[in-house]
Amino acid sequence: GAVVSQHPSRVICKSGTSVKIECRSLDFQATTMFWYRQFPKQSLMLMATSNEGSKATYEQGVEKDKFLINHASLTLSTLTVTSAHPEDSSFYICSADSLGSYTFGSGTRLTVV
Amino acid sequence: DAKTTQPPSMDCAEGRAANLPCNHSTISGNEYVYWYRQIHSQGPQYIIHGLKNNETNEMASLIITEDRKSSTLILPHATLRDTAVYYCIVRVIMEYGNKLVFGAGTILRVKS
Repeated sequence: GAVVSQHPSRVICKSGTSVKIECRSLDFQATTMFWYRQFPKQSLMLMATSNEGSKATYEQGVEKDKFLINHASLTLSTLTVTSAHPEDSSFYICSADSLGSYTFGSGTRLTVV
Repeated sequence: DAKTTQPPSMDCAEGRAANLPCNHSTISGNEYVYWYRQIHSQGPQYIIHGLKNNETNEMASLIITEDRKSSTLILPHATLRDTAVYYCIVRVIMEYGNKLVFGAGTILRVKS
């Protein structure tokens, strides 16, 4: 079946630095990828929809300049958390659309200290 | 906003069928219902999806009411490994594409 690889699985960074998270579709091409954030004991919250070759569409309340999304190829989307703060600590999960089937990555645990 | 409501938690005995209900009374005619589950600190795992007909695969069955305002996910023989958070999701159609908006989900505890 379709596989989505997310890297890194865990990252610790200092306040004020930027962190890049990669999401790759390994055996299929994904014109659309999605980025979610999940706080402890809460559901997944959609942050943005990323379409290959175009600007991402952000959900209401998500800062575009803080969460930079790039979808430069049909198999790779990246999320960069800029100027990270402790409140950005969360579980970030990507998903890729394969003709109506949505495959999720294993998530990235970000801790900002 | 999520278009689904689910009970916050359910218990099920191992080996018995687990029936997880979901209400989606505002669903539009061309919006699909998806079910995913999430085990702690992992990405959601696809279970099944459907539009109006009942669906079955190796993992589960999905029963959608005729008016499409609710559905039930059935795990026929629950095991301890089925303990997870189960999400019922309506795939929302947007002008720029479709997206899955998660609701709160149901914590299913399978007990021996």
